[in-house]
Amino acid sequence: DTAVSQTPKYLVTQMGNDKSIKCEQNLGHDTMYWYKQDSKKFLKIMFSYNNKELIINETVPNRFSPKSPDKAHLNLHINSLELGDSAVYFCASSSGQEGLGEQYFGPGTRLTVT
Amino acid sequence: AQSVTQLGSHVSVSEGALVLLRCNYSSSVPPYLFWYVQYPNQGLQLLLKYTSAATLVKGINGFEAEFKKSETSFHLTKPSAHMSDAAEYFCAVSDRGGGFKTIFGAGTRLFVKA
Repeated sequence: DTAVSQTPKYLVTQMGNDKSIKCEQNLGHDTMYWYKQDSKKFLKIMFSYNNKELIINETVPNRFSPKSPDKAHLNLHINSLELGDSAVYFCASSSGQEGLGEQYFGPGTRLTVT
Repeated sequence: AQSVTQLGSHVSVSEGALVLLRCNYSSSVPPYLFWYVQYPNQGLQLLLKYTSAATLVKGINGFEAEFKKSETSFHLTKPSAHMSDAAEYFCAVSDRGGGFKTIFGAGTRLFVKA
């Protein structure tokens, strides 16, 4: 009965490949996010969707493309993977006006690019 | 624009001692403030939040934080550390007009010595 789930939990792949990470939330929240956490634990916002509309699109290479088929799902597709993409990627969701409520995080997807 | 600074990337305390993790924020409008905890290989989970109600906020696991507008601070405390408190702690800020964006601090790693 996980609130925010991500698949896969681990992803090991070679440079140049294309991969996707899926996220689903069953909390009924309107806003979903993708974060990247580097090896120093710094958490950087990448994208956010509110009611399937892209509202945050930070300075992220256009090799990264989010897709939200519905309010409960937010997927992340990465083309032409590079070594620097290795990190833990977290999906999160929140409720409230302007997403001001607390965020609920998924367990993370550890991406390793070799 | 919002920002948040966590003083001290690492804090070490003995079991049973006071825990104090420092957070200072910057926001041009009344902020929403959060503390999150991240255990190894897990996602972040909410410890407590301040949303303009009582300035002393109590959270889970015996943690509390006090909002001090004059000092622009939101420090996290716990009277007596337990070994299970060892984790990474993140302070975060968001506000109306921030466009759904929550800014996270760099994190403070708490070590608890037996």
